[in-house]
Amino acid sequence: GESVGLHLPTLSVQEGDNSIINCAYSNSASDYFIWYKQESGKGPQFIIDIRSNMDKRQGQRVTVLLNKTVKHLSLQIAATQPGDSAVYFCAVRTNTGNQFYFGTGTSLTVIP
Amino acid sequence: ETGVTQSPTHLIKTRGQQVTLRCSSQSGHNTVSWYQQALGQGPQFIFQYYREEENGRGNFPPRFSGLQFPNYSSELNVNALELDDSALYLCASSLGGPGLREQYFGPGTRLTVT
Repeated sequence: GESVGLHLPTLSVQEGDNSIINCAYSNSASDYFIWYKQESGKGPQFIIDIRSNMDKRQGQRVTVLLNKTVKHLSLQIAATQPGDSAVYFCAVRTNTGNQFYFGTGTSLTVIP
Repeated sequence: ETGVTQSPTHLIKTRGQQVTLRCSSQSGHNTVSWYQQALGQGPQFIFQYYREEENGRGNFPPRFSGLQFPNYSSELNVNALELDDSALYLCASSLGGPGLREQYFGPGTRLTVT
């Protein structure tokens, strides 16, 4: 199986600052990782993914870093905006099954 | 919007009843996964369907069952509802086989069991 945890249940940042959300996983056989954003009353929204053969991947205003040595994943959001306020989940897939394991989420609040 | 739709949006059932939830996958996606999300928690994997067959199951009892149809849409059935089944039920679809594929979620069905 897999155990996924996020380092902080809540995070508050000033508008315009950068945000960093961290995630730890337990299974070294995990091979695929997705970050999701979930707004109140909605389903999780795909943000960015990364495979285990990569260390870094960039999207629009977001960067995901993967450190397989310490089994750590982070999501960096540049120039955080009020619309970024949501709960963020990392989802981890092991190479032995088809399911994704989710952490409990980090609630990001952007202060205007 | 992901193109994944779910119905109904909300549902209230009584303990012991049965419920069917529906999901239409994004166009071209042939794999559907179902998740249960309790309040304040991350989604938990129930099972996955690929080419109309169950292709992986999480730690949920047999009273949780499903179907996938030739058009790739899917149903989640829950029998003998319990109070703890109250949750947001999410389906997610992905393209191609059940490998390393992007997975997109629908808006969910909020089930309340009284």
